[in-house]
Amino acid sequence: QKEVEQDPGPLSVPEGAIVSLNCTYSNSAFQYFMWYRQYSRKGPELLMYTYSSGNKEDGRFTAQVDKSSKYISLFIRDSQPSDSATYLCAMSGSNDYKLSFGAGTTVTVRA
Amino acid sequence: DGGITQSPKYLFRKEGQNVTLSCEQNLNHDAMYWYRQDPGQGLRLIYYSQIVNDFQKGDIAEGYSVSREKKESFPLTVTSAQKNPTAFYLCASSISSRGYTFGSGTRLTVV
Repeated sequence: QKEVEQDPGPLSVPEGAIVSLNCTYSNSAFQYFMWYRQYSRKGPELLMYTYSSGNKEDGRFTAQVDKSSKYISLFIRDSQPSDSATYLCAMSGSNDYKLSFGAGTTVTVRA
Repeated sequence: DGGITQSPKYLFRKEGQNVTLSCEQNLNHDAMYWYRQDPGQGLRLIYYSQIVNDFQKGDIAEGYSVSREKKESFPLTVTSAQKNPTAFYLCASSISSRGYTFGSGTRLTVV
């Protein structure tokens, strides 16, 4: 079993829809949770960062962490064609610089 | 502007040849990483370094080598021992558990 499992997708949604992305993990030591966005043939860029359980909102993006269920989510409201990308979840422990990544979910937002 | 520079963007390797991928950062980050990305497999850690003159193997180090002689530089050599080197290679750096900054990647193809 992989340490981080991510819904494989791909997802195709119409413009304006809500996109929901999810990851589960097995390591209870994980404290830092991130979402990266990767456009085709580019390096990933940090989209959202959260520490421990709770919600964090940034514009159209909301990240949720439920440590009791070992489950994290990213929601994209009012999705735009420019949101079409691969989204990677990532996480690490409190004393570990190394990140463990999910395999990524490719999202296409249709105009 | 601070960031990570990977070069070249595209690289072609002949069978039995060693090639070196460059990674330079001016973010003053202590830790640097090399990942390999294959379709559908997410990011796999090759090597990482937390301080100058020290580095550790990641999950798929066989057929690769690195050096960390300067804080700013972490080159990756893909040796002839790596039997399936065609992939997208990503370099990253970090200063804490707060996530990585990635370069724009090098696409290596065996010809």
